[in-house]
Parts: sequence; C-alpha cells; structure tokens
Amino acid sequence: DQQVKQNSPSLSVQEGRISILNCDYTNSMFDYFLWYKKYPAEGPTFLISISSIKDKNEDGRFTVFLNKSAKHLSLHIVPSQPGDSAVYFCAATLFNTGANSKLTFGKGITLSVRP
Amino acid sequence: DAGVTQSPTHLIKTRGQQVTLRCSPKSGHDTVSWYQQALGQGPQFIFQYYEEEERQRGNFPDRFSGHQFPNYSSELNVNALLLGDSALYLCASSRNEDSGANVLTFGAGSRLTVL
Repeated sequence: DQQVKQNSPSLSVQEGRISILNCDYTNSMFDYFLWYKKYPAEGPTFLISISSIKDKNEDGRFTVFLNKSAKHLSLHIVPSQPGDSAVYFCAATLFNTGANSKLTFGKGITLSVRP
Repeated sequence: DAGVTQSPTHLIKTRGQQVTLRCSPKSGHDTVSWYQQALGQGPQFIFQYYEEEERQRGNFPDRFSGHQFPNYSSELNVNALLLGDSALYLCASSRNEDSGANVLTFGAGSRLTVL
C-alpha cells in the first residue's frame, strides 16, 4: 500500500523553463511534507518542506504547493538548471509525533534538464 | 566536517548468510535511522536508534536488527538473507533535540546484492 505516490517516473525539461514535479498521498494524517534530491552515489539531501497548515512555501528557485483537499503537492523549479538533474523524492511524516519522525517516501522522479 | 559515513559501500552475499552494515553519524548527531531502498523504489524506514535503544520500527521482520554504540555509531544486521534483501541501505543521522523532520542527514548508502 503506497501511501506516497509519484506516478511519473521521469520528466525532461529545457534549461530555463519550469519543472513541475507532482506527488499524491493517501494518508490524511500526514501533516508535514518534504522534498529530497538525490544524485547518483550520494545520499538524499533535503530540499524544501511544507507544513499542512500552509499551502505554499518558497525557497529561492524552489516552491512547494500543497492542496490538502486533493491530497496533492507539487514542487516547482524556476528556472530549471542542468545541475538540477537528479532523482527527486517526495516524503511525508506525522510531525506531531516528535522530532526525527520516520519518513514515508514516494518512488522518486528522475528530472533531466536539457541545456 | 564529515557527514554520515557508511561502510562497506558495496558487498555481495549469498542467500542464507548474515550481513552487518555500519554507520557513523554526522558530528554532533545522536540519533540514527536506517532506510532500505530497493531498485526503483523510494527509501523505506527500517528503524531508529537513540540512547542505544530502538525507538521506532517500520514494517520489517525480526531478521533485521540493529545496535547503537555509546559513540552514537550504529550497525544494521540482517540474518538469513533473501534475494529480496538486495537493496541500497541508507543511514540517516539527526539530533534528538532538533525539531522538524528536515534535519535528517543521509549517508551515501551501502549497496547489498544477495545472490
């Protein structure tokens, strides 16, 4: 039972354009969501997060949108750069269970940014 | 400042054998979590150790066990290996006093192949 779903396995965009990565979740108890980026032979690194009390969080070129009623979130990267090419994981957790809560990850999306 | 260090980086075992994977957390971190990432899947939470005790556990059989040492380093042990245990095993460290799931620092992982 996949509680966090990333249904598109890959995405290819032109440098300078917008990348939109989508994620859906089924567990309505999740209250904190994160995006991680992973390069080959490296561990996942934290990118951006959003609490369920917000619908948008922005950090430089990265913006995450949350639609609680649809149980959907998306990561927007504007403008996309070749260095953004990586696997992006969406993750969710129950924040109020305490610090360092366990994360439930999606399968990941491979983003390729063409020069 | 060294991040999370995992060893070995790669190893091959046969079915029925036992394996031990090791993790040194980031300096200043006292909590260690282990994740399993099978091919084409997102990381799955195995368990978390704090103060040398297992604090949380995911949906993994008892063949998976762990240990945390007084210096906060950790080991993941898997007994009676199955072909399905082939995966990348990720260690993540954090500070218990920090709040927020985004404080996890991941290592590059140990890739286990079971033949």
